[in-house]
Order: sequence, then C-alpha cells, then structure tokens
Amino acid sequence: GQQLNQSPQSMFIQEGEDVSMNCTSSSIFNTWLWYKQDPGEGPVLLIALYKAGELTSNGRLTAQFGITRKDSFLNISASIPSDVGIYFCAGVDQTGANNLFFGTGTRLTIIP
Amino acid sequence: DAGITQSPRYKITETGRQVTLMCHQTWSHSYMFWYRQDLGHGLRLIYYSAAADITDKGEVPDGYVVSRSKTENFPLTLESATRSQTSVYFCASSEGPLTGQYFGPGTRLTVT
Repeated sequence: GQQLNQSPQSMFIQEGEDVSMNCTSSSIFNTWLWYKQDPGEGPVLLIALYKAGELTSNGRLTAQFGITRKDSFLNISASIPSDVGIYFCAGVDQTGANNLFFGTGTRLTIIP
Repeated sequence: DAGITQSPRYKITETGRQVTLMCHQTWSHSYMFWYRQDLGHGLRLIYYSAAADITDKGEVPDGYVVSRSKTENFPLTLESATRSQTSVYFCASSEGPLTGQYFGPGTRLTVT
C-alpha cells in the first residue's frame, strides 16, 4: 500500500517553540487529515482539509491543503507539554473511503 | 457520549483459535473501518463497510472476516489466529467516504 512521506521523523523542541511538519505524496488526494496519537490510544483527528489551498486552524494548530493536492503541512504554535505525541498525516484519494493512506508519523518530544 | 468503543482492549490467544474483536459506534456513521498498526508498517486497512450489510476488502484482508448486520457494530473475526496477526487493531468510523475518520482506543492482540 501507499505511504505518505512525512517529515521530520522526530522533533525535539523546547516548550513555547513553534513546530512545523509536512507530508508529501506522489498521488493527488481529495482529503488531507492530521491525527495525533498518544501511547496506548487511538489516533485522534485534529484537522480535516477538503479543498486545495484550504487553510484551517484548530486552536494553536494550523494546517494547509497544498495547491498541487499532493502535500499538506501542520504547524503548532507555542508548544505545550501536552503536545507531545506522534502526529500522522493521512490522505484520501479519488477512489474514496477505502483508500486512506497514512504517513509514517512525526514524533514530537518537548525538552524540559 | 461514548463515541466509538472497542472490546476487549487486550487479548492473548493461541495459534489456531478463533478470535472476535468488537467495535461499536454511537454516531450512526455510515462508514466503519478496521486497521492494524504494526511497527514499520504504520496503519493498514483490513476491511471497511459503507453501510449495513455492505463490506469490502482493504489492503490486508487475508485471514480476517467482517460482518455488519447493524449500522453501529462492526466485528472483526480472525478465523484461525496466526502469530503474524499479533498487532494493535483499531476500529474507525466516518460520516462519508471522504470525511475524517474517528478512531477507537484499539485492541492489543497477542497470538502465542
């Protein structure tokens, strides 16, 4: 199955710093999704993007659906300790529900 | 507001045994999905369902059976468990084929 290229694989930042991660694909997607997963839990949907060029915010999180429909990025502003976790991008291609492809994840660690 | 629940949360079984993992959602979402999450492979789709009595294969369906007699339930059965099926299994649901999917807490299955 297809996997999205997500970068960076891991990030070590200090509390209060801004975070940026991105996801690229060789295929066009109709929907881009960003999830956060905590240890022992299921992924939690953070932001859903449905239109090329769309910029959507959810509190301190902002995500954009790339114009080419082959990429997306997620920014977190003023990071706090509860932001620690693994962030996954996911894309749904033109064939629909059965083709939700996940990125390999970005592990975010906050250094005290 | 229960959302989406999975049971059991943890299961240990022996090779060759039949195991059923349960998934229940309270949102009346049309679409439901089963994924497995393994190190090095990320999340992979096993089966999905667009509505009651409609199911279809995902990326890795071999060795699994699903049914969906009611909209809110989507059980996953391993007919004869193998060690390669040791994994964390996530159920998810969504309103439509291109909308964000909401994940359950997962079932950690170990096949000995």
